[in-house]
Amino acid sequence: EVQLVESEGGLVQPGGSLRLSCSASGFTFRDYPMTWVRQAPAKGLEWVSSISDSGRSTYYADSVRGRFTISRDNSKNILYLEMNSLKIEDTAVYYCARGFRADPFHYWGQGTLVTASS
Amino acid sequence: SYELTQPPSLSVSPGQTASIPCSGDELGDQYTSWFQQKPGQSPVLVIYEDNKRPSGVPERFSGSNSGSTATLTISGTQATDEADYYCQAWDNSLVVFGGGTKLTVL
Repeated sequence: EVQLVESEGGLVQPGGSLRLSCSASGFTFRDYPMTWVRQAPAKGLEWVSSISDSGRSTYYADSVRGRFTISRDNSKNILYLEMNSLKIEDTAVYYCARGFRADPFHYWGQGTLVTASS
Repeated sequence: SYELTQPPSLSVSPGQTASIPCSGDELGDQYTSWFQQKPGQSPVLVIYEDNKRPSGVPERFSGSNSGSTATLTISGTQATDEADYYCQAWDNSLVVFGGGTKLTVL
């Protein structure tokens, strides 16, 4: 059974940093690209970032480019999202999902809430 | 930037057919996916590559995509289908989501 489990989010002051992780199981992690999607309170889905199966290629939404970094450890089956210079508008539930481009988003994690507030 | 437009809300009576449109420039030239999201839950893929259903998704869910509009159709809508629905496509190979449609079954 495919499982994606995000780490706990939290409350961070604007300008602060936080690293999210997503532990994957039930499939060969290194064979799939991975993606982060977020959802602000009472808003729609917003793509954040994706990474190729090897980790060599990364992609970012304009809203987070230069502040967020996606990475992965294929030896540990973990996906990461390093978030720096957090803004109030980054407040959202963050989901990790398996897939990108030719791979549809078949599987999603349960989501983790990140709140950027003073 | 590329935009996908969905109606914010739609209502359907139980047993009737719900058609949720998603419009975008030349959308028919690329694959579209659809996600169902119920309150407090993660999104669930219900249609991918325009008209394919993942295993476990009921046959009453179908999709089409032509011209500038992709459509998610739910035949014989049930109360359990009440949810938010999002279309998803691509902008220069990057992910784009529609704004979402809240489907009410009443």
